[in-house]
Amino acid sequence: SQTIHQWPATLVQPVGSPLSLECTVEGTSNPNLYWYRQAAGRGLQLLFYSVGIGQISSEVPQNLSASRPQDRQFILSSKKLLLSDSGFYLCAWFQTNYGYTFGSGTRLTVV
Amino acid sequence: AQSVTQPDIHITVSEGASLELRCNYSYGATPYLFWYVQSPGQGLQLLLKYFSGDTLVQGIKGFEAEFKRSQSSFNLRKPSVHWSDAAEYFCAVGKYNFNKFYFGSGTKLNVKP
Repeated sequence: SQTIHQWPATLVQPVGSPLSLECTVEGTSNPNLYWYRQAAGRGLQLLFYSVGIGQISSEVPQNLSASRPQDRQFILSSKKLLLSDSGFYLCAWFQTNYGYTFGSGTRLTVV
Repeated sequence: AQSVTQPDIHITVSEGASLELRCNYSYGATPYLFWYVQSPGQGLQLLLKYFSGDTLVQGIKGFEAEFKRSQSSFNLRKPSVHWSDAAEYFCAVGKYNFNKFYFGSGTKLNVKP
């Protein structure tokens, strides 16, 4: 079956610390993968998307980066977190004729 | 520029009442259209989608939406709301071959007993 996994579910990190959020999909190959951020009380902001290994498109210049080291793996990173990086991060996978399937999200709090 | 507008930030309806959540978009071509629902602290679940064909689409949980090209709208409706429908609802538009999709800011639905 096709599934998407995202972890960790929650994370509390100090300002200036690094970040690594991981997303993997199962049951498909060469998926289109996305990272979104949802700030408190706001909608979803597209951060990065990837159509294949090593291919990353950035939507918003910021303190974050993304990588696609394997076909079904998408990683969101930061070298030094800022307070403004707090939010709810969602990984998503787009399938033709279906749309998005979202992971369960990571609640990041930068303190 | 592409955009999605959900003009209602919060909506409160009584259980059993009808519901309509508004979504307007600005897009250069006929887009793919989606409605998602998000329960607190959870990911988003697809309610329904429109790609082409019949402009009235049926989704899960008794929801439906109608694509009106002349009004650039894709409003979500439900004839009788249940308390379990309380959640946040997001409209999204995009075109697959552009690999970019845009979400509205969401509408939070409260259901009164």
